[in-house]
Amino acid sequence: GAVVSQHPSWVICKSGTSVKIECRSLDFQATTMFWYRQFPKQSLMLMATSNEGSKATYEQGVEKDKFLINHASLTLSTLTVTSAHPEDSSFYICSALGGRAQHFGDGTRLSIL
Amino acid sequence: GNSVTQMEGPVTLSEEAFLTINCTYTATGYPSLFWYVQYPGEGLQLLLKATKADDKGSNKGFEATYRKETTSFHLEKGSVQVSDSAVYFCALSDQQGGSEKLVFGKGTKLTVNP
Repeated sequence: GAVVSQHPSWVICKSGTSVKIECRSLDFQATTMFWYRQFPKQSLMLMATSNEGSKATYEQGVEKDKFLINHASLTLSTLTVTSAHPEDSSFYICSALGGRAQHFGDGTRLSIL
Repeated sequence: GNSVTQMEGPVTLSEEAFLTINCTYTATGYPSLFWYVQYPGEGLQLLLKATKADDKGSNKGFEATYRKETTSFHLEKGSVQVSDSAVYFCALSDQQGGSEKLVFGKGTKLTVNP
């Protein structure tokens, strides 16, 4: 149980385009989901907390207009990287809160050319 | 604020060796403690957790005990396998405001050689 699906797993796109990443809880409902960014050989950096039906809460230093988060249902949260640039290239991981533990997706590797 | 300090790696062991990865924390209140494992190119998987002092979390031969007196949650395994090669993250739940945020250590890369 507690499966989280993240899609796509890998995306390559040109600078200036927008990219949407989906995070779905497959077998449980999650009122709260989290979005992380992970740089090579480093730990996870929390970007924002996504709450179903309300605005996301962003961590200090994260641009909310750059990283748009939508949590429209109890099983789906999306992260859209708008006007992506090479410095946005990274590994993005989502998690969904279920039973007081966070369950993680497999991550999305984003490469901006 | 809350923080997690994890032993730096990388750690390289031979198969069947004993593993310890140290983790200490600083927190207000009574956080839950977690160990997550990340295999190459994948997200994180919950390995084990403990929610209160003296609890022992265990899974797949791994164990960790929530020690409030030493603010520690060290990960141990008696006999590692090649398939245990991964990055291990210690984490605590930051429950301020009821958000259940996780605060992660920097991760420890484990390589097990046959």
